[in-house]
Amino acid sequence: EAGVAQSPRYKIIEKRQSVAFWCNPISGHATLYWYQQILGQGPKLLIQFQNNGVVDDSQLPKDRFSAERLKGVDSTLKIQPAKLEDSAVYLCASSLDWSGRSEQYFGPGTRLTVT
Amino acid sequence: AQSVAQPEDQVNVAEGNPLTVKCTYSVSGNPYLFWYVQYPNRGLQFLLKYITGDNLVKGSYGFEAEFNKSQTSFHLKKPSALVSDSALYFCAVRERVTGGGNKLTFGTGTQLKVEL
Repeated sequence: EAGVAQSPRYKIIEKRQSVAFWCNPISGHATLYWYQQILGQGPKLLIQFQNNGVVDDSQLPKDRFSAERLKGVDSTLKIQPAKLEDSAVYLCASSLDWSGRSEQYFGPGTRLTVT
Repeated sequence: AQSVAQPEDQVNVAEGNPLTVKCTYSVSGNPYLFWYVQYPNRGLQFLLKYITGDNLVKGSYGFEAEFNKSQTSFHLKKPSALVSDSALYFCAVRERVTGGGNKLTFGTGTQLKVEL
């Protein structure tokens, strides 16, 4: 089966610019996650969707980050305006359900550099 | 809050030798524990999980992990290391979120280096 797809793979922007990342999860996976991975750290959850509804966005900096999953399939994460500290790898993952028992499958990530 | 700790930033082992990557956890209730591996410029790949049942869990690429409730540990092991096992390994624990779902809380990662 096809894995989790993400684009772009790399993005370089200047601070205060905006950027968007796209994710297409594994077909049939109801739950979609966006993580931020800063160099030298483990991934940190930003937002979790169950179908097209938000389950948890408590760690999402809502003044600058937004995400949507309008049709319950693919998803977009946006940053506007970007700050230097947003430089990180943004990982998308999906799982069959939100029970916590199902493993998550990760995409290759988007490496964002903010200058 | 649930958490996992990976006490070693790096583990070095010779090819053919057994390897162990350590993980301890702190949870309330029954833990759901996971191991993931990350190769350079790649996303995380699932290796194995413990939900319930046998304390010894077998996973992908010959890896296994032992759940030890009394020591609150979930160490990753492999009987014979390969150079291709060199990568960054993350332990993770399931944590419930306020919306009713679940998320993974990851450790800081352990860099495994297998040398000839």
